[in-house]
Order: sequence, then C-alpha cells, then structure tokens
Amino acid sequence: DVKVTQSSRYLVKRTGEKVFLECVQDMDHENMFWYRQDPGLGLRLIYFSYDVKMKEKGDIPEGYSVSREKKERFSLILESASTNQTSMYLCASSLGLAGGPSSYEQYFGPGTRLTVT
Amino acid sequence: QKEVEQDPGPLSVPEGAIVSLNCTYSNSAFQYFMWYRQYSRKGPELLMYTYSSGNKEDGRFTAQVDKSSKYISLFIRDSQPSDSATYLCAMKYRLYNQGGKLIFGQGTELSVKP
Repeated sequence: DVKVTQSSRYLVKRTGEKVFLECVQDMDHENMFWYRQDPGLGLRLIYFSYDVKMKEKGDIPEGYSVSREKKERFSLILESASTNQTSMYLCASSLGLAGGPSSYEQYFGPGTRLTVT
Repeated sequence: QKEVEQDPGPLSVPEGAIVSLNCTYSNSAFQYFMWYRQYSRKGPELLMYTYSSGNKEDGRFTAQVDKSSKYISLFIRDSQPSDSATYLCAMKYRLYNQGGKLIFGQGTELSVKP
C-alpha cells in the first residue's frame, strides 16, 4: 500500500514564525503536491513537484515555498506565518508518466491542521 | 468563474436512499474525471475514475460523465451510514502533462442517517 506521511497532525505557531511541513512517500512516486483545504473553498494547490529539485507554482503559491531534495520527501515552508494561513494542509503523491492512466491517482496524507495565532 | 463547480451541501439523506452528487466544468479540455471520498480527519482517497462519456459502475457507486454538457455525477445506491463523508470531484486536462495536476471541486458533505 502507498503510504504518505506528514510530520504533524496538529501544529500551532505564532505570527511571523517560519514553519516547516514535511511530507514523505514510500512508493517511489515521481509527483508530489501540497494543498490547503478550507471550508467552502475545497482543495487549492499551493505547489507541486514532478522530479527532484523541480517545482511548479500552483494556484496559491504566495507566502509559501517548497523544497524537494530527495524523491521521497517534499517540504512546504511558510516563510513568515500569518493568521490567514491557518488551514488544513494536505500532501499528496502520484506515480507519474510511466504508469498509464491510473498513474495519476493522487494518494493523500492525513493532513496537518495548522493554526497561526 | 471557477473551472469546476460542485454544490458544497451539506446533503443529508436517510439510509437506503439514492444519492446524486454533481459537478459542472467550464473547460472542454478536461479529459480525465475522478471522484474522491474524504472521511472526517482523513485525507481524500480515490473512489472512481473515468475518461470517457457514459457510465462506469463499481458496486453501489456509478460515475457518469456527459462531456457534451460538461457535467459529471456520482450516484450512490442503497446509501449506508458508512458513506457519510465529503465527496470531491477532480479533473485533469490531458493524461500526460503538468506532473499530474488535478483540478478539484469544492466538495459535497454527505450525511446518511440510520
């Protein structure tokens, strides 16, 4: 079974702090994604990566950065946390190009609920 | 206008009812359609996917795609309390591009009452 793990389930940080959210997948997937999920807004893509050291902006990248130094690990960084970044953060991965149609199924981690006070 | 629109609900039905969940989309370039289910305090998981117009059945679940109307539906027959979750539709433009990026609907919260 594919497993996507996230470093914390719940996190409370203060405004202005630098925040690191870590995501690890154990199935050698090419693609990794970071979303935030807010009531009424659904899942919004922050950043994604289709290879080590490669990253692409999603729909709402402002205030965030990412790092992918190893294939299995994708980190989301809030450079200076603000209260409007209080949200549920979900990491996902997918196999990628080589596997055919079902290879784009995204497997999600359990999420990190971040509260910025 | 959002690329994918989904009624956020919440939707409450009695056990055994037929449930219809719907999404509309604006871009005819979408070719790959999925439904995810998300239980409370969990990440979403893939329920069904399809890439052609028509129906696809899996047990009590049927996914329907109407590309001419830009409309997709998920039907749940004989709904059970264990079906209570948020259901998200998701779409992709082409099979091999943009690292597998998906466009999600807002999600519909479903509650099935015993």
